[in-house]
Amino acid sequence: DTEVTQTPKHLVMGMTNKKSLKCEQHMGHRAMYWYKQKAKKPPELMFVYSYEKLSINESVPSRFSPECPNSSLLNLHLHALQPEDSALYLCASSQGWDRDNEQFFGPGTRLTVL
Amino acid sequence: ELKVEQNPLFLSMQEGKNYTIYCNYSTTSDRLYWYRQDPGKSLESLFVLLSNGAVKQEGRLMASLDTKARLSTLHITAAVHDLSATYFCAAPRVNSGNTPLVFGKGTRLSVIA
Repeated sequence: DTEVTQTPKHLVMGMTNKKSLKCEQHMGHRAMYWYKQKAKKPPELMFVYSYEKLSINESVPSRFSPECPNSSLLNLHLHALQPEDSALYLCASSQGWDRDNEQFFGPGTRLTVL
Repeated sequence: ELKVEQNPLFLSMQEGKNYTIYCNYSTTSDRLYWYRQDPGKSLESLFVLLSNGAVKQEGRLMASLDTKARLSTLHITAAVHDLSATYFCAAPRVNSGNTPLVFGKGTRLSVIA
């Protein structure tokens, strides 16, 4: 199984809503990532979890709150978002540097904030 | 700070022609990754280049890595319409650990008849 799954595929939310994005992988990867991608731009890193611990936070606003409940799951909790947060949110996972650190991306959640 | 630059950013090719996309990166790395993205879709891993001189081929695409020049190329042979997509190269931020990738801006390829 070389798949990263993400739910939901699409999400529309108001600025006062609270929602969560979910990411799951069953490849035994110990690193998981959240990237944000705006239209016609490259993905930009938000967070890295390594062995279920947050290892990198790219100074992301606190209205984005990541969580890694176990080695297979990664959540991104959203609260009081702004319209400029509308983007494609991509989850990825990798085996680690001692392998090839190839990152496998999920299908993404397309988020629209009204 | 690692910077990854791709060129060209836009490429319109005729079917059957050959072309090369270039990816330069600013700090030492012995690894380089290529991804493809179709409109509205996620990123699909194309090539993982793990050492100087690495060359990989899949169908009409061939990627190579020159770590001394900090340059990777993606060569397209006899382009077909199905290759139309955005191609990203990416380098690891640091040479160890569970490191994130830094992406180039992407090359938007359009193959026309």
